[in-house]
Amino acid sequence: DTAVSQTPKYLVTQMGNDKSIKCEQNLGHDTMYWYKQDSKKFLKIMFSYNNKELIINETVPNRFSPKSPDKAHLNLHINSLELGDSAVYFCASSQVSGGFEQYFGPGTRLTVT
Amino acid sequence: GNSVTQMEGPVTLSEEAFLTINCTYTATGYPSLFWYVQYPGEGLQLLLKATKADDKGSNKGFEATYRKETTSFHLEKGSVQVSDSAVYFCALTDGNKLVFGAGTILRVKS
Repeated sequence: DTAVSQTPKYLVTQMGNDKSIKCEQNLGHDTMYWYKQDSKKFLKIMFSYNNKELIINETVPNRFSPKSPDKAHLNLHINSLELGDSAVYFCASSQVSGGFEQYFGPGTRLTVT
Repeated sequence: GNSVTQMEGPVTLSEEAFLTINCTYTATGYPSLFWYVQYPGEGLQLLLKATKADDKGSNKGFEATYRKETTSFHLEKGSVQVSDSAVYFCALTDGNKLVFGAGTILRVKS
């Protein structure tokens, strides 16, 4: 049973397009996150939701919009894609009362051409 | 905010060599400390953690001790295997989020 799943695994698209990445966790956690990992492996948090409420919103262009329909899902929608958006995007989840141990999905490699 | 600094890689070792990956942190208060590992093509996995000073986290032969006096959480393993080749991330809590180091690539040769 996959704990944190993401779709799609690979996404190749052209500049200017709009795309979405979906994330689901079946761990019963109350908090979900989106991270961006660049080509040098540097990992930066983008957003975090706790019980469907946005609690972390780092300095991210407003072309990126997260949506959490319920506690188990956190989707990421990106408008007007740019070359610099190419990266691997990771979803993660945790139970805040569990000490911030985060469980990561397998990642979505986004390539913007 | 809190921050963490890891030694730069890549680190290249022969099988059965001793491994140390240095991690130091800057923090207010008493953060929890973590090591995560990322195998090629996968997401990060928690390797070990420590929640207070002098705690030792250990897993799969890896260990790290929370040293408040030196603000460090160095990762060690006595004998590495080829299968340990991965990227290792040190992380700490900062309020309601984790802050990750830049990652250290480990390559183990047979």
